[in-house]
Amino acid sequence: EPEVTQTPSHQVTQMGQEVILRCVPISNHLYFYWYRQILGQKVEFLVSFYNNEISEKSEIFDDQFSVERPDGSNFTLKIRSTKLEDSAMYFCASSEDDPQNTGELFFGEGSRLTVL
Amino acid sequence: SQKIEQNSEALNIQEGKTATLTCNYTNYSPAYLQWYRQDPGRGPVFLLLIRENEKEKRKERLKVTFDTTLKQSLFHITASQPADSATYLCALDIPGGSYIPTFGRGTSLIVHP
Repeated sequence: EPEVTQTPSHQVTQMGQEVILRCVPISNHLYFYWYRQILGQKVEFLVSFYNNEISEKSEIFDDQFSVERPDGSNFTLKIRSTKLEDSAMYFCASSEDDPQNTGELFFGEGSRLTVL
Repeated sequence: SQKIEQNSEALNIQEGKTATLTCNYTNYSPAYLQWYRQDPGRGPVFLLLIRENEKEKRKERLKVTFDTTLKQSLFHITASQPADSATYLCALDIPGGSYIPTFGRGTSLIVHP
């Protein structure tokens, strides 16, 4: 069964360092998302991406964050200068269709980011 | 702003019983409501979607109801099994027309053998 894959599964970094989290969405999907989940808290929306541009972003997704689809398969989240409060599980998700039509998101297993 | 409320206390039930989880929301009525399952340390897995014009949806042992008057959805698992133990997340679309799912905190379900 097709799945969303994410790398790395766990990354430890020093405060102020740049981090890139990578995702390979399901191949025929057109809509891509990043969510994060701080330990013990809810899954929070960061950004959505469609047709090679950001379609929606939350207030969490400030200037330190960026997303890119550098080739036909990868979808990346970059955090420019990490802060302690960026420590969380970051989930990539994709959907085949516009959320208005189906709404179903397929999530990866997440990348756990620990900022020291 | 839209609030999604799920019971933060874990629900403990005996195997074979029906588990019922609640999702309440405030303010505007969503176009749809979804339920996901999340196991510890793993990504959410989609279970069911119900639209604003639907009252009930079923899939195998799962049933979801949607009451826009009460601003509430109920999620039922019949004949529950220990393998159903997980956190169940409710998600609604974000106000503003983007239809992107926004999640509640989830309710932990523990099914005892």
